[in-house]
Amino acid sequence: KAGVTQTPRYLIKTRGQQVTLSCSPISGHRSVSWYQQTPGQGLQFLFEYFSETQRNKGNFPGRFSGRQFSNSRSEMNVSTLELGDSALYLCASSLVSGGAGNEQFFGPGTRLTVL
Amino acid sequence: AQKITQTQPGMFVQEKEAVTLDCTYDTSDPSYGLFWYKQPSSGEMIFLIYQGSYDQQNATEGRYSLNFQKARKSANLVISASQLGDSAMYFCAMREGNTGGFKTIFGAGTRLFVKA
Repeated sequence: KAGVTQTPRYLIKTRGQQVTLSCSPISGHRSVSWYQQTPGQGLQFLFEYFSETQRNKGNFPGRFSGRQFSNSRSEMNVSTLELGDSALYLCASSLVSGGAGNEQFFGPGTRLTVL
Repeated sequence: AQKITQTQPGMFVQEKEAVTLDCTYDTSDPSYGLFWYKQPSSGEMIFLIYQGSYDQQNATEGRYSLNFQKARKSANLVISASQLGDSAMYFCAMREGNTGGFKTIFGAGTRLFVKA
């Protein structure tokens, strides 16, 4: 069974641009979560999607948005990029959203550099 | 307020010895899950072990065991017989929420160095 895939793996953008990252969960998984990882802030929760609905959102400005499609694939968009948005963006999928013990499987991440 | 605390930024351990990575957490939710992940230099997060808040016994997965002390709100990871390949960042995480949605909160991580 294929794991979580994220595209692109690496991305370089300039300030003010917008970017879209893609995540394909493990087949059959319906929950997708996104995280931002930076050396200064560590791993921070962005949002979780389940059955095309955003179920929970972290403390990020409205420039960060996402969506989930009917096939559970998810995209994350960041508009008006800032230097501080440079980070590793990780996507994780789990079988369902409910249940605190539901294991999340992570993708390899997209490393975004904003110049 | 910080909900997951890992007080050891870095740890050294001799190959073949055991090592304990500390993690304390804070939540008012009676139902939650605790996880440990390993992140090698490649960046991928690898699931190691899970402990549910209602589990009576400590979780074990091969060389990994979780020392769960609910009253103290601690969930330390014990790695037995360390190997050179265990050198990596280790993150403690807590997943909490309800039917309205769940989120996972990560600690700052502990970088483990295994010496030959």
